[in-house]
Amino acid sequence: QSVLTQPPSASGTPGQRVTISCSGSNSNVGQNPVNWYQQLPGTAPKLLIYNNDERPSGVPDRFSGSKSGTSASLAISGLQSDDEADYYCAAWHDSLNGPVFGGGTKLTVL
Amino acid sequence: QVHLVESGGGLVKPGGSLRLSCAASGFTFSDYYMTWVRQAPGKGLEWISYISGTSSYINYADSVKGRVSISRDNSKKSVFLQMNSLRAEDTAVYFCARLHSSSWIDYWGQGSLVTVSS
Repeated sequence: QSVLTQPPSASGTPGQRVTISCSGSNSNVGQNPVNWYQQLPGTAPKLLIYNNDERPSGVPDRFSGSKSGTSASLAISGLQSDDEADYYCAAWHDSLNGPVFGGGTKLTVL
Repeated sequence: QVHLVESGGGLVKPGGSLRLSCAASGFTFSDYYMTWVRQAPGKGLEWISYISGTSSYINYADSVKGRVSISRDNSKKSVFLQMNSLRAEDTAVYFCARLHSSSWIDYWGQGSLVTVSS
């Protein structure tokens, strides 16, 4: 059982916009920045969004993040087949004093 | 360019021990907290432990506390994870990663598979 809650799956067709939600509590998402990771099949996770809505260099602006209260969202616009991957949200948990993750959302491009 | 390379994984019997290593390059190693995260087969990510740049601050997840020990050697730009009393549920890919601003993971290694089985 993951501390942060994500839908297990999401899907869209090429060119569409999809969003993935991440729900937490006042001990994590509500108090600390949310980060998003993309994990392509058989590879290590890669940082996609940090500090709620910032993109590392090299990440296309098709990917965007937002946060409100104890929930956060990742939006992917102009969906491409290469976007098919698992997406994880993460945030620092104050009482655990470490990062916690969502269970991951498997994105399928139809 | 930041590069993290894990080693030391393999097959170990229940109750056994294993030491994972992670060699870092491309950044000032001693300036960063380092962390280990694992992923059981077909499952999500689980944080295990982190260590500060000077080794003065260390923390462990409850799931491994008392069985795992993290350490680092800044002269060798390496971080280690000593795992004891291993159980079947410790079977996972173990990722070494860098913590940015002691807050979020910005770079990950490729992972090292640990299989606990008789």
